[in-house]
Amino acid sequence: GQNIDQPTEMTATEGAIVQINCTYQTSGFNGLFWYQQHAGEAPTFLSYNVLDGLEEKGRFSSFLSRSKGYSYLLLKELQMKDSASYLCAVADSNYQLIWGAGTKLIIKP
Amino acid sequence: GAVVSQHPSRVICKSGTSVKIECRSLDFQATTMFWYRQFPKQSLMLMATSNEGSKATYEQGVEKDKFLINHASLTLSTLTVTSAHPEDSSFYICSAATGPFPYEQYFGPGTRLTVT
Repeated sequence: GQNIDQPTEMTATEGAIVQINCTYQTSGFNGLFWYQQHAGEAPTFLSYNVLDGLEEKGRFSSFLSRSKGYSYLLLKELQMKDSASYLCAVADSNYQLIWGAGTKLIIKP
Repeated sequence: GAVVSQHPSRVICKSGTSVKIECRSLDFQATTMFWYRQFPKQSLMLMATSNEGSKATYEQGVEKDKFLINHASLTLSTLTVTSAHPEDSSFYICSAATGPFPYEQYFGPGTRLTVT
């Protein structure tokens, strides 16, 4: 079957760096998305990776290794507003998104 | 940026009644709209995908007669939960996308449905 694994919850300190991992097993691969979802709100797009390597976008970076079925989202200079859930989603061979359960990130002052 | 609205944001209905949820793309034309269901602390569950003017494609296990989807125009899709039961209580989120894959999905704010 198809599976996306992410840690359930992580805690980090304001100003620090945190890495949220995502491993996947899917039938085919057409890219990996990261979304941010604040409590009670809808997800918002953060990044899309389809080739191996690191994509940097401001304080957020996303890395992909297709051979390992692995991605991570790196958040730098953490701010309190970064407290949210981070969802990893993989597009399978039919371009259907398979969603992970999300990682709840708690930022402490 | 692209904005997607959903209405209502919260609805409480009695068991056996039907509820309609609207999803609108406000400043762009959405070639594809998606309907998701999300339980607390769980991942988004895709219910169906709809393209304007054609029938929705439902995911396995989703009853098409219970969850009626109409994609009437490039800016509007509706989800009607018919004969709602307490187990239908959930957070329903729509998203809209434009253009070919990899399209970015723009999500609506979600609708919290409670069936009593």
